[in-house]
Amino acid sequence: GDSVTQKQGQVTLSEDDFLFINCTYSTTTYPTLLWYVQYLGQGPQLLLKVTTANNKGISRGFEATYDKGTTSFHLQKASVQESDSAVYFCALVPGGNYKPTFGKGTSLVVHP
Amino acid sequence: DAGVTQTPRHEVAEKGQTIILKCEPVSGHNDLFWYRQTKIQGLELLSYFRSKSLMEDGGAFKDRFKAEMLNSSFSTLKIQPTEPKDSAVYLCASSLHSGNTLYFGEGSRLIVV
Repeated sequence: GDSVTQKQGQVTLSEDDFLFINCTYSTTTYPTLLWYVQYLGQGPQLLLKVTTANNKGISRGFEATYDKGTTSFHLQKASVQESDSAVYFCALVPGGNYKPTFGKGTSLVVHP
Repeated sequence: DAGVTQTPRHEVAEKGQTIILKCEPVSGHNDLFWYRQTKIQGLELLSYFRSKSLMEDGGAFKDRFKAEMLNSSFSTLKIQPTEPKDSAVYLCASSLHSGNTLYFGEGSRLIVV
């Protein structure tokens, strides 16, 4: 079946540090790969979407890239701010399917 | 447009009680999901509806968890009887069509004592 692995449980950075979060996936289809962000007290919201047609997505200073060869996708930001502190989930929607499979989430803490 | 609305935001229940969580999806959305969120397990799918039909009921959660979609604009999740291990945040999400972006509510935090 389809699966997503997100190993980094928590990442602690200082403001202006570089952020890199990695997920690996397994599917037999052509998937859409997504990143959701969840701020404290809120539900997750879509941050970025990457399809096999476009290997990269950019939003709010975040960049998502996708590597079919290693079946991995990454979220990065050149310079994090304290306001970026949140939980970041990667997710996979298999081609032709209807429901996403979520990673376990990475809690990002950014110190001023 | 209103987003996904969940009530109550917080619930404290005694072991063995029945609790009902409520969700109003985004108007016009066809798909509705219920998830349980814990720090250890992350997001676990409890139920999935497409156009009010139950498509998936989350396997391991079948015995005490029952989700219903009474109409296209209202869904409930009943937990009966509650156990302390059910303490978690319960999230409802909706999407326009299969494979589209999920819009989540703010969640219902349940504590079972």
